[in-house]
Amino acid sequence: EADIYQTPRYLVIGTGKKITLECSQTMGHDKMYWYQQDPGMELHLIHYSYGVNSTEKGDLSSESTVSRIRTEHFPLTLESARPSHTSQYLCASRERGYEQYFGPGTRLTVT
Amino acid sequence: GQQVMQIPQYQHVQEGEDFTTYCNSSTTLSNIQWYKQRPGGHPVFLIQLVKSGEVKKQKRLTFQFGEAKKNSSLHITATQTTDVGTYFCAGPASGTYKYIFGTGTRLKVLA
Repeated sequence: EADIYQTPRYLVIGTGKKITLECSQTMGHDKMYWYQQDPGMELHLIHYSYGVNSTEKGDLSSESTVSRIRTEHFPLTLESARPSHTSQYLCASRERGYEQYFGPGTRLTVT
Repeated sequence: GQQVMQIPQYQHVQEGEDFTTYCNSSTTLSNIQWYKQRPGGHPVFLIQLVKSGEVKKQKRLTFQFGEAKKNSSLHITATQTTDVGTYFCAGPASGTYKYIFGTGTRLKVLA
């Protein structure tokens, strides 16, 4: 079983609040990813990182930011939450040439 | 940009019937991966195909990678209710560390 963790699992928050979604992995993987997914729908890549201090925006325009100060930690921050941010956020990691391991996800509701 | 499409989008089958989902990339892929996501869960890696024309089997699941390495298929023989979920293919985006996920096929198995 993969060791990748996300907190919180569920979050209900009001519009305009700043939030940080946490993602940690203990496998020493260089590559980490954040996806946004509405229930049963496509996975949209919003950010990825290929190592410490190396981050890139994904294909989906997002008002979020990420940081990668440590290999094992890849937090996602929303400076000002909006109802359109309501979704599931999935974190994943992988080693070069191998599969992605996904965390359990954070279900975010912005009221 | 590079796109990965899957058909069908949805499939309902009677338990015991076969099921196939097709994955088509706009560009040649160095490898292709398949994932399964149960309702309410996160994607879980099933398999990776690398060679042109490669066929791999996992019990009732058969995976194929096309000769041109632009398409792939997943075939399930004699579906069971445990096969319910969304199946995604994913291929590496050339020149980056990203993986492009397909649009997904949602399978429902009727008992």
